[in-house]
Order: sequence, then structure tokens, then C-alpha cells
Amino acid sequence: GAVVSQHPSWVICKSGTSVKIECRSLDFQATTMFWYRQFPKQSLMLMATSNEGSKATYEQGVEKDKFLINHASLTLSTLTVTSAHPEDSSFYICSADGLLAGGGTDTQYFGPGTRLTVL
Amino acid sequence: RKEVEQDPGPFNVPEGATVAFNCTYSNSASQSFFWYRQDCRKEPKLLMSVYSSGNEDGRFTAQLNRASQYISLLIRDSKLSDSATYLCVVNMRHGNTDKLIFGTGTRLQVFP
Repeated sequence: GAVVSQHPSWVICKSGTSVKIECRSLDFQATTMFWYRQFPKQSLMLMATSNEGSKATYEQGVEKDKFLINHASLTLSTLTVTSAHPEDSSFYICSADGLLAGGGTDTQYFGPGTRLTVL
Repeated sequence: RKEVEQDPGPFNVPEGATVAFNCTYSNSASQSFFWYRQDCRKEPKLLMSVYSSGNEDGRFTAQLNRASQYISLLIRDSKLSDSATYLCVVNMRHGNTDKLIFGTGTRLQVFP
């Protein structure tokens, strides 16, 4: 149980285009989903926290108009990278909080990640 | 100063060796602590939680020293399959939300 999926698993796009990444909790509901970014040889960095039905909370330095997050249901959150540029190329990983899946408030279930390459 | 700091690594050890990873965290208000494992180009997976009393899961032993803000992971009898990056993770509560803060990870390579 507690499986999180992401789609697509990888994407290559041209500079200036927008890319949408989906994060789904498959067998549980999640009131909170998190979006992380990981550059090569670096740590996972939290980009934003999204709560179902409300606006996402962005970490310092993350542009909310560039990284649009929608958390319309308890099982789906989307991240749209708008007007992507080569420096946005990274590994984007989502997670869902495990409270409603029987985990603690500090439990997060991670998706498999989406590798974005912007040419 | 980084919120979570780890040994730089990489650690290259032979099969059967015992290896220890260290981690320090800067915020004394941190509430819970974990070790995650991340394989190349994959998502992190929870290895174990870390408790003040110390805890063991098979070949893995984790320790937490709150006074020193120090966390450790000991792997005994290393296997080839233990090769991965080990992430020290600290949980912080912000309002009603828990946030995980990740260290940069320590890479372990076990060789035959």
C-alpha cells in the first residue's frame, strides 16, 4: 500500500515550453503533497507544499509564477514548469503525506520522480 | 551552515565490512529523524527512523544524540546491494505541516 505515482517519468522539451508533471497517490488519500527538486550530486530541495483545495506554500527562492502547483483532489497534485529553460533541467520528485494512510504526520511516501531535460 | 550535514563520502568498502555514517543537524527544534536510501536516478526510500534510545533493523543500527545534534548509521556485514547514497533526513514542524530536510547524502560503494 501507500503507492505514489508520477507521470511522466521523463520528459525532454524545448526551451520556452511548459511541462506538466502529475503526482498521484494510488491507494490512499493525502491532504498534503510536497514537490522537491534534485540537481545532480545535490540533495533533495523542497520547492513547495500543497494542501488540497488551497494555494501552495512555496519555499524561499522558488518562483510561484514559474512553478504552478494545483492540488485539486486528495489524490492528485500537478506541477507545471512554465516557460522552461535549460537551468530548470532537474529531477522533480513529489511525495504525499502518510497521515491518512496510517503513517505519522512526518511520514511521506515518495513518487518515482520525473527527469526533466530542457534543450 | 547547512541544516543537515553529512560525511562527504564516497565510502568504498569491501563486502563484509562495517561502515558508519555521521550526520549533524543545526536546528535543535527538529522533531524526528530518519535515514533514507537513494539509488542512482531513483526516488529516496525510507531505510529507518532514528530514536534517542537507538534502534536496530537487521544489519543496520541508528543512533541519535539530541544534546550533540548528531545522528549515525552503522551498517554491518556490508553487501554489494547496500551500494547507494544514504540520506540523513530531519523533520521540522512548521505550523500544521511537517517538512523533511535532506542532507546531501553519503555515497557508499561496496566492492567484491
